[in-house]
Amino acid sequence: AQTVTQSQPEMSVQEAETVTLSCTYDTSESDYYLFWYKQPPSRQMILVIRQEAYKQQNATENRFSVNFQKAAKSFSLKISDSQLGDAAMYFCAYRSVETSGSRLTFGEGTQLTVNP
Amino acid sequence: NAGVMQNPRHLVRRRGQEARLRCSPMKGHSHVYWYRQLPEEGLKFMVYLQKENIIDESGMPKERFSAEFPKEGPSILRIQQVVRGDSAAYFCASSPPDRWNGYSYNEQFFGPGTRLTVL
Repeated sequence: AQTVTQSQPEMSVQEAETVTLSCTYDTSESDYYLFWYKQPPSRQMILVIRQEAYKQQNATENRFSVNFQKAAKSFSLKISDSQLGDAAMYFCAYRSVETSGSRLTFGEGTQLTVNP
Repeated sequence: NAGVMQNPRHLVRRRGQEARLRCSPMKGHSHVYWYRQLPEEGLKFMVYLQKENIIDESGMPKERFSAEFPKEGPSILRIQQVVRGDSAAYFCASSPPDRWNGYSYNEQFFGPGTRLTVL
């Protein structure tokens, strides 16, 4: 079974600075998807960024980028020019493409605080 | 195009009562997933359904929990004889079908969740 680990329960960053959230995962599969979701106080789950394992190029969405290290099974999220609206719980998630069904396996989350 | 709808947003039940949580997927989405988020934890997969079919229920507790997604109407997650440990946020997500197989590996869009409190 796949597992996802987020080793940082809490992180903080100054507004306009850069912060990196860590995520590692365990799988025996060679093809899969990785995601970062944001959960603000409203509790709505919002997709931030997605990475396909067969793509070597790191995904980027505006101020959000990932560092995907497949051999190390590491998938960190970098937030540049942090804004107050980035404050939220961030979840890393894994999804298989080799088995039927497509459940998401989530990490325990990292609570990000943005200080003005 | 309206997003994934869940109702009620908040539900309070006493121990031993039944809880019914509803999820209306996005238009055109025929795949529904239910996840549970216990306090201070990440989301845990419960069940994956297509219209009139349960595809994967490996995350569902064996007793008291059931889910359905009928041909017409919303998906329902039903919890019988609730206990305090069932208190959690329950999220529904939906996705469109793949064009080439019966499953869905497309992005899952989440609803706002139902917060269940068991007294």
